[in-house]
Amino acid sequence: KQEVTQIPAALSVPEGENLVLNCSFTDSAIYNLQWFRQDPGKGLTSLLLIQSSQREQTSGRLNASLDKSSGRSTLYIAASQPGDSATYLCAVINYGGSQGNLIFGKGTKLSVKP
Amino acid sequence: NAGVTQTPKFRILKIGQSMTLQCTQDMNHNYMYWYRQDPGMGLKLIYYSVGAGITDKGEVPNGYNVSRSTTEDFPLRLELAAPSQTSVYFCASTPRAGSSYNSPLHFGNGTRLTVT
Repeated sequence: KQEVTQIPAALSVPEGENLVLNCSFTDSAIYNLQWFRQDPGKGLTSLLLIQSSQREQTSGRLNASLDKSSGRSTLYIAASQPGDSATYLCAVINYGGSQGNLIFGKGTKLSVKP
Repeated sequence: NAGVTQTPKFRILKIGQSMTLQCTQDMNHNYMYWYRQDPGMGLKLIYYSVGAGITDKGEVPNGYNVSRSTTEDFPLRLELAAPSQTSVYFCASTPRAGSSYNSPLHFGNGTRLTVT
């Protein structure tokens, strides 16, 4: 059974710092991996989607990498800002799972201090 | 540019009551999902639909029912509310082209449900 783990559960950094969020998964037979952002009281916003054949995706100050063989993904945030404060979740879609169902980690709660 | 719209935003139910959580999307997406999110936990799939008239169970379907009579709407029904169903419920949708699941999910803002 696929399990997705995110470490750390919470992270506090000063503004301007570069940071890395980690995501690991136990079954490498994935279709893709997605990173989401969740603000308090809001839904999830898709940040980046990495297909299983890809190694990384970039959007602005965000860079996500994928290493299927080791079951790991990282989300790199450059020059962090207070507006980046949110919970970040990663999720995978398994081959053979419910149609397109995402298996989620519990998230990393990020706080960027001014 | 509404995207995925969920109503209501908040609801308090007494044990044994029933209610329907509404979800509608205006993006003509064929795939729709209902997830629940409990504090400190990841999201769990309740039900999903791959198109109008087609629904199937997810990981935690007990106590819930769904229907998909149109492409736009995917309501979630709680028949006999229990305290264990206290949670935040999210509806999501995505298009699917061919055999690819490589389109991101679009989420609604959620319904916060408390059963007492």
